[in-house]
Amino acid sequence: GESVGLHLPTLSVQEGDNSIINCAYSNSASDYFIWYKQESGKGPQFIIDIRSNMDKRQGQRVTVLLNKTVKHLSLQIAATQPGDSAVYFCAEDQAGTALIFGKGTTLSVSS
Amino acid sequence: GAVVSQHPSWVICKSGTSVKIECRSLDFQATTMFWYRQFPKQSLMLMATSNEGSKATYEQGVEKDKFLINHASLTLSTLTVTSAHPEDSSFYICSARDDRGVDGYTFGSGTRLTVV
Repeated sequence: GESVGLHLPTLSVQEGDNSIINCAYSNSASDYFIWYKQESGKGPQFIIDIRSNMDKRQGQRVTVLLNKTVKHLSLQIAATQPGDSAVYFCAEDQAGTALIFGKGTTLSVSS
Repeated sequence: GAVVSQHPSWVICKSGTSVKIECRSLDFQATTMFWYRQFPKQSLMLMATSNEGSKATYEQGVEKDKFLINHASLTLSTLTVTSAHPEDSSFYICSARDDRGVDGYTFGSGTRLTVV
């Protein structure tokens, strides 16, 4: 699978590969993090979330990892499918005030 | 799950006119709603936090007289783009936070505003 250590604006993978999308957040006081998927012309769609008292959370085909030491968040998608093609954003909730979005990564899945 | 309805989904208006965008929480109450703006190929930028019964809190650099926010009920917030100009053309997205503390933040489907 494709793995990137730093945030990249685009990620291209083959169908069936695992994808890893990275995100750096800004506020060490943030205690809740969410990954969103956004398709063209639509609003963000919730994928998975994690609270700051955890370092890993798994969903269906997706895993989120949180490293508070370096303020880093990653989203792992297993067995990536063409339907996963979209822009992915991480967002941090700064103590319940508002969600602040990071830079997005465009995931392209080719079959 | 929680649903937020945003209307209209797209609108075209002439320069100098005003446009109102509605954001409704359909099956929950939301004291707090949020308005974002998104330019092509960019991230969502928080414009303002809308609080029911009080004035909205605007982010730095967002003109409150240009982007009027009204949150008159626990299920409805509106954003009015006043005296719109072509540079106001963008994708506007609202979000609502359930007062019960469940389901986190729920987003609307967005409004594509084009000012000609």
